[in-house]
Amino acid sequence: DGGITQSPKYLFRKEGQNVTLSCEQNLNHDAMYWYRQDPGQGLRLIYYSQIVNDFQKGDIAEGYSVSREKKESFPLTVTSAQKNPTAFYLCASSAGTVNTEAFFGQGTRLTVV
Amino acid sequence: GENVEQHPSTLSVQEGDSAVIKCTYSDSASNYFPWYKQELGKGPQLIIDIRSNVGEKKDQRIAVTLNKTAKHFSLHITETQPEDSAVYFCAARKAAGNKLTFGGGTRVLVKP
Repeated sequence: DGGITQSPKYLFRKEGQNVTLSCEQNLNHDAMYWYRQDPGQGLRLIYYSQIVNDFQKGDIAEGYSVSREKKESFPLTVTSAQKNPTAFYLCASSAGTVNTEAFFGQGTRLTVV
Repeated sequence: GENVEQHPSTLSVQEGDSAVIKCTYSDSASNYFPWYKQELGKGPQLIIDIRSNVGEKKDQRIAVTLNKTAKHFSLHITETQPEDSAVYFCAARKAAGNKLTFGGGTRVLVKP
């Protein structure tokens, strides 16, 4: 089955701790993205990567970090510098500039306790 | 940067009636406009998209219209069914780069 997989589905973190969210895709897509969704709101772009070993900040990158060492993987680290990390995090991928449909994973709900 | 506004934020319709959601965008360079449906606790799924060289696109009960001059596009769902209940997002993307900018979402409730 081709698709994009996020894990874990639910994640709890203590204040002051860093946590890493996993995103893997086997669609052979070049571009990958991380979005944050707060209750009743739209999706806001955190980071995106158009190619391996390269990534750019989105609209709300502060307190987050990413890496893109492999084409199929784009992990997101929520650091202790993120003031309000409790949210639903969505990863997406797309083939590139020609075929622009973005496919989303099922999301990770992060709760800070 | 691009700004996408979506209205209404909530929409309640009777089963069988039509639902219309409208979005406006700010950047005239945007040329790709997808619509996503998100069910509770899941990731958004693409339901229909339109490119700027097309004014209208239909897929069964779903249609999207685009007015480039006015910089707005709309989603039309006809003969609504309870399974159409979900949150719908519009988005816009420029030709250069891959960033999608999303609207704030519309929660649609179809009452049986």
